[in-house]
Amino acid sequence: DAGVTQSPTHLIKTRGQQVTLRCSPKSGHDTVSWYQQALGQGPQFIFQYYEEEERQRGNFPDRFSGHQFPNYSSELNVNALLLGDSALYLCASSAQGVRGEKLFFGSGTQLSVL
Amino acid sequence: AQSVTQPDIHITVSEGASLELRCNYSYGATPYLFWYVQSPGQGLQLLLKYFSGDTLVQGIKGFEAEFKRSQSSFNLRKPSVHWSDAAEYFCAVGVYSGGGADGLTFGKGTHLIIQP
Repeated sequence: DAGVTQSPTHLIKTRGQQVTLRCSPKSGHDTVSWYQQALGQGPQFIFQYYEEEERQRGNFPDRFSGHQFPNYSSELNVNALLLGDSALYLCASSAQGVRGEKLFFGSGTQLSVL
Repeated sequence: AQSVTQPDIHITVSEGASLELRCNYSYGATPYLFWYVQSPGQGLQLLLKYFSGDTLVQGIKGFEAEFKRSQSSFNLRKPSVHWSDAAEYFCAVGVYSGGGADGLTFGKGTHLIIQP
């Protein structure tokens, strides 16, 4: 049983470009959350998707958007990249409404903006 | 809004010695509390979690944590550390709303160094 898988593992972009990161949740999970982890910091919650809709959003600008597909996989899109968007982007999956359910994290996508 | 404070940025412990990592949270009600570990370039692995009930929680790899409501703390402990425990440790707080788990709020982490 594969856990949470993310692609690509590394990505280099330049300022102003757009990027799409992908996540496949653990089997049996229907909820996907995205986190940004800057160097030396804890992860920060970006948003959560459930039933193909954004269920909750953290304090991130509209440049950050997402999508969830019918198979529960998800994409994170970032437009007009800034140097400060350089970070490790983590995807986590869980089962909605199941209290105590573990949140499983992928290994992340390391994004470098030059 | 909830918040998490991990007062120690770095901690150095000798192999075989005991360990305690501190975590304080701020939240109006009883939160759900977590400890995660992250090795370099890796994602997060859940060590343990507190939802309700017994305030002393056992986790994987010999870790335990104690929830103290009066002190708003959830400190992580291990009686004897191994060199493989060297990593970044994150405390996190979560809430449930609308029938589902909300996004977690993480502390800034504590970097654990194990010396021989």
